[in-house]
Amino acid sequence: NAGVTQTPKFQVLKTGQSMTLQCAQDMNHEYMSWYRQDPGMGLRLIHYSVGAGITDQGEVPNGYNVSRSTTEDFPLRLLSAAPSQTSVYFCASSYLNREYGYTFGSGTRLTVV
Amino acid sequence: ILNVEQSPQSLHVQEGDSTNFTCSFPSSNFYALHWYRWETAKSPEALFVMTLNGDEKKKGRISATLNTKEGYSYLYIKGSQPEDSATYLCAFPNFGNEKLTFGTGTRLTIIP
Repeated sequence: NAGVTQTPKFQVLKTGQSMTLQCAQDMNHEYMSWYRQDPGMGLRLIHYSVGAGITDQGEVPNGYNVSRSTTEDFPLRLLSAAPSQTSVYFCASSYLNREYGYTFGSGTRLTVV
Repeated sequence: ILNVEQSPQSLHVQEGDSTNFTCSFPSSNFYALHWYRWETAKSPEALFVMTLNGDEKKKGRISATLNTKEGYSYLYIKGSQPEDSATYLCAFPNFGNEKLTFGTGTRLTIIP
């Protein structure tokens, strides 16, 4: 019963490098999303998906790509890392039914130098 | 972008005392109101999801109420304990259960 699994937990990147943050859930949730958390800003939505093959932009999508080829996986790609992308990233999933709360992964702390 | 506001920003409460804090949200196009508890170095955990005006939910010493007509929700903690120290977030979906917009939270510290 893993829930939402995020990897890696920590990452340091150089400016301009690319990387993929992995997110997988085993609860058969239709909805998956990525948030970033910055001091004083709260959680801000980057991208989200309502099902396999469907993705859409959130509040702060620039510099990030996502895809949803399966129900279980929702990777977040940083195309060319910038210091402004230094943040803590959370993946969250849920059922589309509005009665359900979100389940969060344990987070990825990313530093771009 | 929907605006979700929480107050106060932070709160120090003596162990054993009761406390409450507020979440305000847009009263139009209401779908649900979420409360999460977020302990330091962990990830947010869902406490309550409320969908109906007048809803009251309870989990142990923590309870929440909802007023969708005026756009606010209260979270109450009775007889605070040190393990209640956390940041409490409320959140509001844009449509159905999608695009949850979070408030910046109320950071609660329980003083032993």
